[in-house]
Amino acid sequence: EAGVAQSPRYKIIEKRQSVAFWCNPISGHATLYWYQQILGQGPKLLIQFQNNGVVDDSQLPKDRFSAERLKGVDSTLKIQPAKLEDSAVYLCASSQARGAGTEAFFGQGTRLTVV
Amino acid sequence: KNEVEQSPQNLTAQEGEFITINCSYSVGISALHWLQQHPGGGIVSLFMLSSGKKKHGRLIATINIQEKHSSLHITASHPRDSAVYICAVPVNYGGSQGNLIFGKGTKLSVKP
Repeated sequence: EAGVAQSPRYKIIEKRQSVAFWCNPISGHATLYWYQQILGQGPKLLIQFQNNGVVDDSQLPKDRFSAERLKGVDSTLKIQPAKLEDSAVYLCASSQARGAGTEAFFGQGTRLTVV
Repeated sequence: KNEVEQSPQNLTAQEGEFITINCSYSVGISALHWLQQHPGGGIVSLFMLSSGKKKHGRLIATINIQEKHSSLHITASHPRDSAVYICAVPVNYGGSQGNLIFGKGTKLSVKP
């Protein structure tokens, strides 16, 4: 079974530039998550999709971050404009359902460095 | 709000040692996850458990629901076990939300 695919693996940009990350979840997984993990901390949820609808985006900095999952399959996360504090690993995960006991599968992540 | 505490934050062991990582959480949960994160950033799910004990190879995870505590054990540790181990619990107990709250992780380094 193919896992969660993310690209790119690494990205270096200057502050105020924009950047986009892509995630393709495991086939058939209705729920997709984007997490931000700052060095030394656990991942923090940015946004959760159920199919193509947003379930939770309460921690997404909406002035600069946006995400979409138009066809309910793959998803993009965009930052515009980037700030130095956005340097982090951005992780995508997917699960079959929204239930609290449902196992989530994670991608390799995209390591963003803003200089 | 559920809080997740892990200990220790950092752990250095010699190859072959038995390792224990602890996780405590503050409210009721339906399941707890143990995850492994390698230096490249990718996260792998090791265990999801709601009671008792699970074993996979040299890894053992236990949970005590009454005490709100879980442990991850590694027997006969090996340098390739070096990684960050993260404990995570669901945001809402029994609810429809599936997203997780993560501990800060335990960085394990196993020396040959």
